[in-house]
Amino acid sequence: GEDVEQSLFLSVREGDSSVINCTYTDSSSTYLYWYKQEPGAGLQLLTYIFSNMDMKQDQRLTVLLNKKDKHLSLRIADTQTGDSAIYFCAERARGSQGNLIFGKGTKLSVKP
Amino acid sequence: DGGITQSPKYLFRKEGQNVTLSCEQNLNHDAMYWYRQDPGQGLRLIYYSQIVNDFQKGDIAEGYSVSREKKESFPLTVTSAQKNPTAFYLCASSRAVVLGLTEAFFGQGTRLTVV
Repeated sequence: GEDVEQSLFLSVREGDSSVINCTYTDSSSTYLYWYKQEPGAGLQLLTYIFSNMDMKQDQRLTVLLNKKDKHLSLRIADTQTGDSAIYFCAERARGSQGNLIFGKGTKLSVKP
Repeated sequence: DGGITQSPKYLFRKEGQNVTLSCEQNLNHDAMYWYRQDPGQGLRLIYYSQIVNDFQKGDIAEGYSVSREKKESFPLTVTSAQKNPTAFYLCASSRAVVLGLTEAFFGQGTRLTVV
């Protein structure tokens, strides 16, 4: 079945770069997404990448996609304490349902 | 301001009671979804609806029910048959799947606790 895997924790120092990794199973996924969740809140879409792209950059965020290995990463440059949150990778479910399949989330802790 | 609103933010339920969580969107989205979030478990799909008066079960629908009488509204009822209902519930909406990019917008969540 479809599955999205992420490591559960990442700790970095303020000012460093953070790299959050994700692997997915459905090679037919057309879009892949990164969401951010702050404590006690809903999910906020950070960015997405279309499957025919290798890289997408948006200010401090860089998404890299390796379709051959089904590997997606999110790099946050100059990580700030405000970036501390849980980051979810997601792909769209196969078929017509339209729902997103989420990884378990990576909790990013930024130390001053 | 367009968005998706969940209420209440916190909800307490006694054993054996049914409770209903509200989800309203003014984004004119066709599709709406309910997810359950438990610590370390990520998000699991409970129910989804792609059009008014139609909905389908997700991965963990047992003990839950929904309705979709209006495009804007997709309430979730947690019934007494749900044995472990304490969790954070998230509602989301998106454009129709056939339009391609199905970026989902989320509400702020409802934290349900059984007392």
